[in-house]
Amino acid sequence: EAGVAQSPRYKIIEKRQSVAFWCNPISGHATLYWYQQILGQGPKLLIQFQNNGVVDDSQLPKDRFSAERLKGVDSTLKIQPAKLEDSAVYLCASSSFRAQGGAFFGQGTRLTVV
Amino acid sequence: GNSVTQMEGPVTLSEEAFLTINCTYTATGYPSLFWYVQYPGEGLQLLLKATKADDKGSNKGFEATYRKETTSFHLEKGSVQVSDSAVYFCALSLFSGSARQLTFGSGTQLTVLP
Repeated sequence: EAGVAQSPRYKIIEKRQSVAFWCNPISGHATLYWYQQILGQGPKLLIQFQNNGVVDDSQLPKDRFSAERLKGVDSTLKIQPAKLEDSAVYLCASSSFRAQGGAFFGQGTRLTVV
Repeated sequence: GNSVTQMEGPVTLSEEAFLTINCTYTATGYPSLFWYVQYPGEGLQLLLKATKADDKGSNKGFEATYRKETTSFHLEKGSVQVSDSAVYFCALSLFSGSARQLTFGSGTQLTVLP
């Protein structure tokens, strides 16, 4: 079974530029999460999808971050414009009902804003 | 709201020492509990889980018991190896509306010295 795929692995951009991350979840997983992990901290949920609908985006900075999940499969997370404090690892995870709440994570995208 | 509190790190042990990483939680309801491990440059991997009170999760020599009375899920291993060096995250999952939320602690860095 293929795992959660994310790209790119690394990205360096200047502040005020835009950037997009892509995630392909495990086939058949209805739930998709985007987390932000700042160095030395635990993952913080940005947005959670159930199929192609948003179930939680309460911690997503909507003035600069956006996300979509097309056809309930792949997802993209965009930042526009980026700030220095957005430097972090962005983790995508997916889950199914059988996982009883556990999730499978991709390797993450390390974003550096300079 | 739901939250997870982990013992502060970093933790440094000698090979073959006994490991305990404390985790307590606050939740409105009966969550599933998880331990995830993150190796350098990697995403999070599910280490073990427990879905109801008194359940014991175990994997790769690690164990944790779901203690409802103390709202705890402490991670233990009898004899650590250098290869166990990583960051360990405690997490809980609970239904909120129609989907499960997955909330993480801040992580505990473990370094095992030969």
